[in-house]
Amino acid sequence: QSVLTQPPSVSAAPGQKVTISCSGSTSNIGKNYVSWYQLLPGTAPKLLISDNDKRPSGIPDRFSASKSGTSAALGITGLQTGDEADYYCGTWDTSLNGFVFGPGTTVTVL
Amino acid sequence: EVQLLESGGALVQPGGSLRLSCTASGFTFNIYAMAWVRQAPGKGLEWVSSISGGGFNTFYADSLKGRFTISRDDSQSTLYLQMRSLGVEDTALYYCAKATAYYYDNSWAWNFDLWGRGTLVTVSS
Repeated sequence: QSVLTQPPSVSAAPGQKVTISCSGSTSNIGKNYVSWYQLLPGTAPKLLISDNDKRPSGIPDRFSASKSGTSAALGITGLQTGDEADYYCGTWDTSLNGFVFGPGTTVTVL
Repeated sequence: EVQLLESGGALVQPGGSLRLSCTASGFTFNIYAMAWVRQAPGKGLEWVSSISGGGFNTFYADSLKGRFTISRDDSQSTLYLQMRSLGVEDTALYYCAKATAYYYDNSWAWNFDLWGRGTLVTVSS
């Protein structure tokens, strides 16, 4: 059972937008930076967003993220079939003194 | 080429031990924190352990109950995970990850910006 909460799945048609929420508490999201990861089937995880809202080199600007209080969100615009994957938020938890991942959200392109 | 290559995964009986390795190349290994993350079959990502650059600080998931030990050999650009008293719940694909970690303005940032392809650990009798 993760200390972070994400919806199990979200879906939308090609070209549309999806938003994935990540909810936590004052000891994790409320205090520390959030990162987001994409896990495509059969591949290694990829860092999509670092430090709450920064895109690493090579990540398209269709991916964006934000953080407010104890919640964070990842947005994907111009949805493509290649975006079908599992997405995880993660952050340091000061009370646990360790890193925590959310349970993951499966994105489906209809 | 910048990459991480895990090895050491195997089929092991419950109660057994195993040591995983992760060899890094293409970046200055000793200055970066490193981590192990696992994914059990049909489950999500689970952080296992992290070690600071230079190995001065180590961190572990509470669920491991002291059974795992992370270490690094900077002269060999290699990360290790020693696992003991393995149970079926430890069956997973184990990933090695490079971390850009820093503490700023009373907040921690941990970004796992390079991952290996994983090594499979199966605990079964």
